[in-house]
Order: sequence, then C-alpha cells, then structure tokens
Amino acid sequence: EAGVAQSPRYKIIEKRQSVAFWCNPISGHATLYWYQQILGQGPKLLIQFQNNGVVDDSQLPKDRFSAERLKGVDSTLKIQPAKLEDSAVYLCASSWLAGGFRISYEQYFGPGTRLTVT
Amino acid sequence: TQLLEQSPQFLSIQEGENLTVYCNSSSVFSSLQWYRQEPGEGPVLLVTVVTGGEVKKLKRLTFQFGDARKDSSLHITAAQPGDTGLYLCAGGMGGNKLVFGAGTILRVKS
Repeated sequence: EAGVAQSPRYKIIEKRQSVAFWCNPISGHATLYWYQQILGQGPKLLIQFQNNGVVDDSQLPKDRFSAERLKGVDSTLKIQPAKLEDSAVYLCASSWLAGGFRISYEQYFGPGTRLTVT
Repeated sequence: TQLLEQSPQFLSIQEGENLTVYCNSSSVFSSLQWYRQEPGEGPVLLVTVVTGGEVKKLKRLTFQFGDARKDSSLHITAAQPGDTGLYLCAGGMGGNKLVFGAGTILRVKS
C-alpha cells in the first residue's frame, strides 16, 4: 500500500513570509497528525485530526500556524508569518483510528518537509 | 523540560558490540513505543509495549517496559551497521496521542 505522501520535501523562505505544506495520508486512515521536529529533538505534536475534526491542537501556535483537513482525507499546514525558530522538519503521520486509553494504533509517518527560515 | 528523557544522547560503537538505550519518565504511560528514524525519512515503528514488565524481542532487539509503566529500555545484541539511526521512544497518552523523547543517535562502525 502507498505510504504517507508529503510535499514539498524541502522549502527555504525568508522570515515573515508564508509557507504551506501538504499531506496525503494512507487510504482509509481516519486520524492524521502534524508534528514539528526541531534538530536534536523528538517530534512534537502540533495538531491531531479525526476525520475532518480537530482532536488536539493544544500545542499549535495559533497566531501563526493553521491547519485544515476539509474532506477528511488530505491536509495542509500553513505558517504565516514564518519566524526563524520555525526552521524544522514537519512530519505528517496517519493511523487507522485514534485508539483508546490502553489501545494504540501504529502511526505511519511521511518523509517530512524540511523548512529553513532565513 | 522533556517528559521523556532518553540516554545516552549519542552512541558510537563497533560492529558486533552490544548496547542499551534508556527511556525514563516520572509519568505513567498507557503504552510505550520505540521508533527508528533514518536521515531524510520519518520515524518507523519498531515495537509497542503496553503491560508493565513486558518484554518483547525483535530479532537482535529486546524491548522492556518498566513495571510501573514509566520507563523502558532497548537492548541491541551484536550491533550491525544497518542498525545506525535515531532511536526514539514515545509514550502513549491515550487517544493515540504520543509524547516523544529527544532520541538516541546510534552509529555502528564496521
């Protein structure tokens, strides 16, 4: 089966510019995640969707970041305006379902988009 | 402050050596997952452990979940150059939400 697709793979922008990332999850996966991975750190969850609804966006900097999953399939993450500290790899992941307290479903990750803000 | 502390941060060993990577927290997790990430790629799941004291083996890799479900370890026997990568542990918070550690960079030299 096809994996999680992300584009672009690399992006270089100047601070205060805007940028958008796209993600197409594995077919049939209801849950989609966006993570930010800064160099030397583990991925940090930005937002989690269940179908086209937001489950958790508590760590999304909403003054500059936005995300949508309008039809419950693919998703876009936007940054406007970008700051130097936004330089990171942005990972998209999907899973079959959101799971329960003691149930976890494997999250499948895309290759990520490496963003450099100059 | 990291919710999950991984140690060591970096490990460079010779092919054939054994190693252990640790993942510690003061929080209790519903599950603990280990991922391996190669440069330019996303993390790939290696194992999920859900029961305190659980031990799982995947070929030369042995994973253990602490009795109190706060910590975990990954032991690799006879490491090979193909084991090189970033090893991430992730604690399950329920609802499939994961909290990741900062990772251990492993380099196995031939």
